[in-house]
Amino acid sequence: GQNIDQPTEMTATEGAIVQINCTYQTSGFNGLFWYQQHAGEAPTFLSYNVLDGLEEKGRFSSFLSRSKGYSYLLLKELQMKDSASYLCAVRDENQAGTALIFGKGTTLSVSS
Amino acid sequence: DTAVSQTPKYLVTQMGNDKSIKCEQNLGHDTMYWYKQDSKKFLKIMFSYNNKELIINETVPNRFSPKSPDKAHLNLHINSLELGDSAVYFCASSHAGLAESYEQYFGPGTRLTVT
Repeated sequence: GQNIDQPTEMTATEGAIVQINCTYQTSGFNGLFWYQQHAGEAPTFLSYNVLDGLEEKGRFSSFLSRSKGYSYLLLKELQMKDSASYLCAVRDENQAGTALIFGKGTTLSVSS
Repeated sequence: DTAVSQTPKYLVTQMGNDKSIKCEQNLGHDTMYWYKQDSKKFLKIMFSYNNKELIINETVPNRFSPKSPDKAHLNLHINSLELGDSAVYFCASSHAGLAESYEQYFGPGTRLTVT
């Protein structure tokens, strides 16, 4: 089976740092992806991890621990435009080939 | 230039009808996908397809069928529409392969409402 868990909602203020956690249990693993989805729009790619450690890309960083089945997305210097849903997704070749298995998403609200 | 496009953007239809959603990508990708996002925003894979293999999520009713006239297109045909089919359907594409960070590019979505 497969299970990907992330918090449903989070709130933060402009300029702050927020960490969105994701835990997963899948039969196979070929990478973990983070996507951002604004209301009414398509998901857009943020980051990819396949080896343990931290990947940094501007204000966004993503961390992976394969032994713990755990990842987080770190957003720094929050801006109002960061208010969106953040989707954790695992590529599990045993379940879906190259397709992604998504968590239910974390809705982040950034206030001034 | 639109990378992944879908038509129509909105589709309202009655129960029992048959409808199709079209998807085209101009990225030269080998693999295309259909995802369904329900009212709780849960995004779930329905199909993945390349010119060699169709992988079907076993929970997808056989009223849904993907049709690919060529590598750049993957259309979704739905027979005998039901109320529970109301959702946003996203098409996506990527390069093939599991060993690379081949992210998926999503189309703008088609909001299907069945009345």
